[in-house]
Amino acid sequence: GAGVSQSPSNKVTEKGKDVELRCDPISGHTALYWYRQSLGQGLEFLIYFQGNSAPDKSGLPSDRFSAERTGGSVSTLTIQRTQQEDSAVYLCASSVAGADTQYFGPGTRLTVL
Amino acid sequence: AQSVTQLGSHVSVSEGALVLLRCNYSSSVPPYLFWYVQYPNQGLQLLLKYTSAATLVKGINGFEAEFKKSETSFHLTKPSAHMSDAAEYFCAVSSGSARQLTFGSGTQLTVLP
Repeated sequence: GAGVSQSPSNKVTEKGKDVELRCDPISGHTALYWYRQSLGQGLEFLIYFQGNSAPDKSGLPSDRFSAERTGGSVSTLTIQRTQQEDSAVYLCASSVAGADTQYFGPGTRLTVL
Repeated sequence: AQSVTQLGSHVSVSEGALVLLRCNYSSSVPPYLFWYVQYPNQGLQLLLKYTSAATLVKGINGFEAEFKKSETSFHLTKPSAHMSDAAEYFCAVSSGSARQLTFGSGTQLTVLP
């Protein structure tokens, strides 16, 4: 079956602009995660959704970052007023609720000039 | 809080030689442990996982890992390296009610001809 998909695969933006990153999880997976992979910080957890709710937003690095999930499926990660330190690969993962294994998408590479 | 330490950011082995990638964890509760592999410009692919069943876990591509509670270790091994094994490998522990993953810093494996 289809895996986790993310779009765009690459995004180049100017400092100060807003960006939206999209994640389509595996069908039937109710848990969805966002991670960030950067040279300086490695792989970091950002946010978790169970269904449409986000009980854990502890990993979001600043109030410029927000995420939503609608219909228990697609999720959007929004970064407002992007900064150069936001440059990273943003990875999305999904899993069956209560299960251990997360399946990752190919990521979106964000470059902030 | 959970944490993961991967010893050796870069490991080089000759083709056909043993692969040993080290991972130590810190966890206040029985951990769920994972090894993921990342090929260039791709997402993370699950190699294997430990979820409190057998301590020796077999994964894909001939890899296996042994959970040793007394040593808080979960080292990844493969008896004979292949050129296609060249990639970055991440050890991770699952934690919290969200079961988010906490990753080690990764080990880049190079396989020499």
